Amino acid sequence: EAGVVQSPRYKIIEKKQPVAFWCNPISGHNTLYWYRQNLGQGPELLIRYENEEAVDDSQLPKDRFSAERLKGVDSTLKIQPAELGDSAVYLCASSAQVEAFFGQGTRLTVV
Amino acid sequence: AQSVTQLDSHVSVSEGTPVLLRCNYSSSYSPSLFWYVQHPNKGLQLLLKYTSAATLVKGINGFEAEFKKSETSFHLTKPSAHMSDAAEYFCVVSRSSGNTPLVFGKGTRLSVIA
Repeated sequence: EAGVVQSPRYKIIEKKQPVAFWCNPISGHNTLYWYRQNLGQGPELLIRYENEEAVDDSQLPKDRFSAERLKGVDSTLKIQPAELGDSAVYLCASSAQVEAFFGQGTRLTVV
Repeated sequence: AQSVTQLDSHVSVSEGTPVLLRCNYSSSYSPSLFWYVQHPNKGLQLLLKYTSAATLVKGINGFEAEFKKSETSFHLTKPSAHMSDAAEYFCVVSRSSGNTPLVFGKGTRLSVIA
């Protein structure tokens, strides 16, 4: 069974530029999460989807971050414009019940 | 509300000696608890989970954890550390009925000395 797939694995951009991350969850998993992990810290939730509905986006900085999950499968997370403080690993996870399965993440560096 | 406190940011053990990584949780609901491991430049891998069944949970690679409701703890143990166990470990809490996000602790870095 294929796991959660994220792309790209690494991204380096200049500040003020836009960037997008893509996630393909495990087939049949209705719940999809985006987490951000800063260096030396635990992951923090950005947004959670149940199918195509965002049910928890209270931690998403909506002035520059946006996300979508069309058709309740793949999801994209966008930052526009990026700031230096956005440098982090962005993790996607999916779940069918309680436990979540994580992708390898996208390491974003903003210079 | 839910939260997790990992009591040690860094633990160092010698190869072949026991491992203890401590975790306390707070939850308004009946919790599910997890331990995840993250090796450098790798994704998060589930070690084990507690979901209101047996309080002593066995996971992969010889790890186990015991849910103690009276102490609100879920400590991770392993009888004998191996060099390959060196990694970052995260204690995680969620709601046992699901439909809530996973809340992570700040992590404990385990070093194994030869």
